[in-house]
Amino acid sequence: GENVGLHLPTLSVQEGDNSIINCAYSNSASDYFIWYKQESGKGPQFIIDIRSNMDKRQGQRVTVLLNKTVKHLSLQIAATQPGDSAVYFCAESAGYQKVTFGTGTKLQVIP
Amino acid sequence: DTGVSQNPRHKITKRGQNVTFRCDPISEHNRLYWYRQTLGQGPEFLTYFQNEAQLEKSRLLSDRFSAERPKGSFSTLEIQRTEQGDSAMYLCASRGLYEQYFGPGTRLTVT
Repeated sequence: GENVGLHLPTLSVQEGDNSIINCAYSNSASDYFIWYKQESGKGPQFIIDIRSNMDKRQGQRVTVLLNKTVKHLSLQIAATQPGDSAVYFCAESAGYQKVTFGTGTKLQVIP
Repeated sequence: DTGVSQNPRHKITKRGQNVTFRCDPISEHNRLYWYRQTLGQGPEFLTYFQNEAQLEKSRLLSDRFSAERPKGSFSTLEIQRTEQGDSAMYLCASRGLYEQYFGPGTRLTVT
């Protein structure tokens, strides 16, 4: 299958620790943000999203934080598990326009 | 399965041949997107439909590429006179109000 992790920033964490993946976005007009998880050979999988009128949103084991002042987005994964190993992409959208992806981060979970 | 589906999952073709890919979106989603992803990169936007109308095309979409969504449901992406540089994963996504979900992709290899 495809190794989408080549040449990507890598974050290595111990199983059970919390992971924080960061992303900077560029478009001030973006009002909707998404985090995707992509495993080798598969399409991106929706994890969690946040609209620009919020600064925090929580899901199951995941939290997204949005700082519009500095155009920064982060994904926090609690109690990281081996199954969380993948490439993570942040993405932004203005209105219903196309979703633009940032540079991915490869998360490696060390058992 | 009520997710986004794509066919075929893999396609190997010789340079110069034409190929066509199909995407079936989530039934209640009226927006459909095509992306291309190469090794180590995030998905790059190609084109987008709202119902049957093609509303935006990327400069990445050369004259050899054409996409259709004739009845506002499934979509096809055709590449004519394929080149080795067309080798990539072609991803389809559909979107309702906000959330955008991806299909598994079609892996194209041009030999």
